[in-house]
Amino acid sequence: DARVTQTPRDKVTEMGQEVTMRCQPILGHNTVFWYRQTMKQGLELLAYFRNRAPLDDSGMPKDRFSAEMPDATLATLKIQPSEPRDSAVYFCASGFTQGNEQFFGPGTRLTVL
Amino acid sequence: AQTVTQSQPEMSVQEAETVTLSCTYDTSENNYYLFWYKQPPSRQMILVIRQEAYKQQNATENRFSVNFQKAAKSFSLKISDSQLGDTAMYFCAFMGQRGSNYKLTFGKGTLLTVNP
Repeated sequence: DARVTQTPRDKVTEMGQEVTMRCQPILGHNTVFWYRQTMKQGLELLAYFRNRAPLDDSGMPKDRFSAEMPDATLATLKIQPSEPRDSAVYFCASGFTQGNEQFFGPGTRLTVL
Repeated sequence: AQTVTQSQPEMSVQEAETVTLSCTYDTSENNYYLFWYKQPPSRQMILVIRQEAYKQQNATENRFSVNFQKAAKSFSLKISDSQLGDTAMYFCAFMGQRGSNYKLTFGKGTLLTVNP
């Protein structure tokens, strides 16, 4: 049963610390997405990749966030330095092409104190 | 930019009854895709149903069906024979077709509670 995996599942850190979240997309999927979920903003797209190339990262605060796909089996989202307002659940999703279902990972709940 | 509106923040239904969740969207595109995702307390996002805008026939998946009204830009979800396991947040989502647009735009969600 193919699934998107994310680590860590939960992360508590202090303001100013670096946070790295990892995602393993489903093998063969060529698009990978990072979403952030908060009570106030709901689900919002941060960045996405197609065939490992970044297509859109306009939803991401550029000064502190970065997203990469070093290879087809790993996507990373890094926050440096972290701030309390970054507290949220971060989801990774993967899929094939336009119009098809995006499969979501279990999310990383980030708490920045 | 596309927007998705879910006007019902919370709803409740008795077990075995039918409930309809509303969703409207705004777009200038003619071809696109619409989705309903379910998020139970485990926080896992699960696809419930998918609709292609060029198809006039409403999508159906077992107890779940949609009422897709393209002219009105409305995409409601009907859950028949509600079960306790249907208790979750339900998100309506839009995916355009222009360019390399693969991203989902979500509504704010409707919290559905199924009561025994």
